[in-house]
Amino acid sequence: SQQGEEDPQALSIQEGENATMNCSYKTSINNLQWYRQNSGRGLVHLILIRSNEREKHSGRLRVTLDTSKKSSSLLITASRAADTASYFCATPREDFGNEKLTFGTGTRLTIIP
Amino acid sequence: ETGVTQTPRHLVMGMTNKKSLKCEQHLGHNAMYWYKQSAKKPLELMFVYSLEERVENNSVPSRFSPECPNSSHLFLHLHTLQPEDSALYLCASSLSRGGNYGYTFGSGTRLTVV
Repeated sequence: SQQGEEDPQALSIQEGENATMNCSYKTSINNLQWYRQNSGRGLVHLILIRSNEREKHSGRLRVTLDTSKKSSSLLITASRAADTASYFCATPREDFGNEKLTFGTGTRLTIIP
Repeated sequence: ETGVTQTPRHLVMGMTNKKSLKCEQHLGHNAMYWYKQSAKKPLELMFVYSLEERVENNSVPSRFSPECPNSSHLFLHLHTLQPEDSALYLCASSLSRGGNYGYTFGSGTRLTVV
């Protein structure tokens, strides 16, 4: 069954604006990961945040994790046309002994030049 | 390139054909995975291999047959597929089995069954 769910399903913003995507999950986790997928290509690992971390940065990316609300957010600052892609959150299922990394259906982000 | 290479990039096959997808990683990872990505569905984990041993197959139909001859290579053998098997098939690898490390994905094979 699906673990992470991204919100919104689709997002369009002007170049230069900030983009925020959210992920909610159901079971306890020890980490949460974000991936990017350009159309028809493989997924690219962006960032991993562990359950004892609340915030993590990588370049223009900022990820937060709230384990009490079972939610995470991905913020992309100063968006560029090249950021147009689908973004997925993924979590290892603790009820499967952290063996399974499960993905949501993604947020489709479009940056308008 | 990500370090995980999948071939072919595109494949069209008839329902009676037999074909194979290939995945190769040069990252020194010990675990490899096959995922299926269909439109508007979450990625579906098909197979997991750890140190060349299959540890999970997630109830995948027998028309999909994986093979892992060594820790760097992974194959997915296909035979008598159905049109609903048309999808993007993604190979991934990770340092060790499970979800405690990030996965590195290949670019995928776009499969169309006619």
